[in-house]
Amino acid sequence: RKEVEQDPGPFNVPEGATVAFNCTYSNSASQSFFWYRQDCRKEPKLLMSVYSSGNEDGRFTAQLNRASQYISLLIRDSKLSDSATYLCVVNRLGSARQLTFGSGTQLTVLP
Amino acid sequence: DAGVIQSPRHEVTEMGQEVTLRCKPISGHNSLFWYRQTMMRGLELLIYFNNNVPIDDSGMPEDRFSAKMPNASFSTLKIQPSEPRDSAVYFCASSFRGLAGTLASTDTQYFGPGTRLTVL
Repeated sequence: RKEVEQDPGPFNVPEGATVAFNCTYSNSASQSFFWYRQDCRKEPKLLMSVYSSGNEDGRFTAQLNRASQYISLLIRDSKLSDSATYLCVVNRLGSARQLTFGSGTQLTVLP
Repeated sequence: DAGVIQSPRHEVTEMGQEVTLRCKPISGHNSLFWYRQTMMRGLELLIYFNNNVPIDDSGMPEDRFSAKMPNASFSTLKIQPSEPRDSAVYFCASSFRGLAGTLASTDTQYFGPGTRLTVL
């Protein structure tokens, strides 16, 4: 089983739609969670951290369910510029503090 | 502020040749990571340095790969000899690792633009 699993998509949605991405992680010791965004032929960039209580940044809402080892990202009122691949990212504390990336979910917002 | 700088941005070489990728992390960051991204395997961590010391190189695929960080502002990833299956985008990322118990937000990694390597 992969450490971080995501639905690869692609998700094709019209402008203005609400879209949700899900992610599961296998390591119950994971402590920090993130969503990164990667545009075509570009580097990954941090979109937002995910906190236990859930957090919102404008049109983006991230939620964490530790019991189910599940992370979600909700995008409301999607824009053409939201088209990208969204990477679910988990890290764990320890001597090897590293990020484990999911394979990404591709989103295309259509006019 | 300048972000993570990588060079070259593109590299095309022939099988058997030596390839050296370079990275300059963000000033003040004390952790540096080398990743490889392919369609088949996604983004994989190759090696991780903290304070210029290699901490975890378990992701390095084989002895043909080596990485160094001679000082806080420079790192190299070398492949010798290169093979066609090494073709990928290689990313360098840096972060500031705080003291134990500090906020996890210090683990935010900032990626360079990547080096697109093609081995013929």
